[in-house]
This record gives sequence, structure tokens and C-alpha cells, in this order.
Amino acid sequence: NAGVTQTPKFRILKIGQSMTLQCTQDMNHNYMYWYRQDPGMGLKLIYYSVGAGITDKGEVPNGYNVSRSTTEDFPLRLELAAPSQTSVYFCASRGGLRTSPNYGYTFGSGTRLTVV
Amino acid sequence: GQQVMQIPQYQHVQEGEDFTTYCNSSTTLSNIQWYKQRPGGHPVFLIQLVKSGEVKKQKRLTFQFGEAKKNSSLHITATQTTDVGTYFCAVATSGTYKYIFGTGTRLKVLA
Repeated sequence: NAGVTQTPKFRILKIGQSMTLQCTQDMNHNYMYWYRQDPGMGLKLIYYSVGAGITDKGEVPNGYNVSRSTTEDFPLRLELAAPSQTSVYFCASRGGLRTSPNYGYTFGSGTRLTVV
Repeated sequence: GQQVMQIPQYQHVQEGEDFTTYCNSSTTLSNIQWYKQRPGGHPVFLIQLVKSGEVKKQKRLTFQFGEAKKNSSLHITATQTTDVGTYFCAVATSGTYKYIFGTGTRLKVLA
């Protein structure tokens, strides 16, 4: 059981380049999320999805785009990369009932992105 | 919007000492979650609290949800070096499936 898989693990981008961060989960979870974590800081929600074909903005969506064509995959697209997007990006998924004691996120291992 | 404050921001303790982190919200919460992130790692789900005044234990960890459901605490008894990391609370914004993370408390345990 792989859980949440993110690729790549590391990436260096030049200013203005674009890239897609991949995220896939094999737990049949409806809810998927993208967070970014700047060094020594907390997690900020970028985008989330409550099911295939449905996405919505989080706290810091500017400069990013997402799509959710299948339950398993939730890629994050960076267009025109900027130094301010240097961060660690975490994908997460969640399933179960809202009041279930196991209603927590399962996180991927993260993508460390540097924009130079 | 929803704001979640965690205190303290940092805590250094001697191995064997106790540790507590607090999470405070400006609004009433439907539930609260706690996560642990080891240095260089990803957050790992610890627990979810739902009921007012709820207290749950996991070995040396005790989690509490306030009576008014606006605050929560995580207490570690007799810390060990394996407890090192950052502890985050996360709360759901009202009526949505979005969880907002607290600022985190970074714990260092000195052997």
C-alpha cells in the first residue's frame, strides 16, 4: 500500500519556467490537498479537491493551477515560476467520515522546489 | 478568516521533562486534529478530537479539547529524544473540507 506518492522529490527551476508536481494516491480517497511549507513555517493550503472534476482555491492559490480528472491523481501546475515559490510542497489525501477518529490527512513525502 | 495560534513557537526540554503545546482559535471548532512532523519529514496524523471536553491518550501523549471547543492542548509526559519534531494542530473552516494548520511548536529534546 503506497499511500500518497509525490514526484519529483527535488527540483530546481529557473525563473519563468513551468512544471507540474505529480501526486497520486491509492487509498480511493475523495479529498485531496496541496500545501506548501516555507522553511521553519507552517503549512499553507494552495488548492483542494473534494472529488474528481471538483477543485477549489485555498489560502495561497496565486501562481498555481490544479486539475482532478481521476480520483487517484491531483497534479499541481506552476506557471512562470518565481523565487517566492521556493518551498516544500506536500500533497495529502483524506477519506472517511468527518467525525471518524481516523479522519486525518495522509501526506506524501514532499517535493522540495527551488526557483533560481 | 479562520486563525489558529499555537504556543509556544519553540520549546527546548531536557529528556524526561514534560512538554505541552496549546492551540487557540478565535471561533468555535467542529473538530481539531494534531500532527507531528519530524525534521526533514512530512506531517503524520496523530489524532482527531470532536467532542467538547474530550481527552484522549496515546501512550505518553495526552490530547485535550476545550469545553468551549475553541482550544486544545497536547501534553507529552517524560519526553524522549524520539519526540523531537514540530507539532501542528489543524482545524476545519466552518462548513468546508479545508483544514487550516496552526503555526506549529518545534520541540527539541536534550539528552
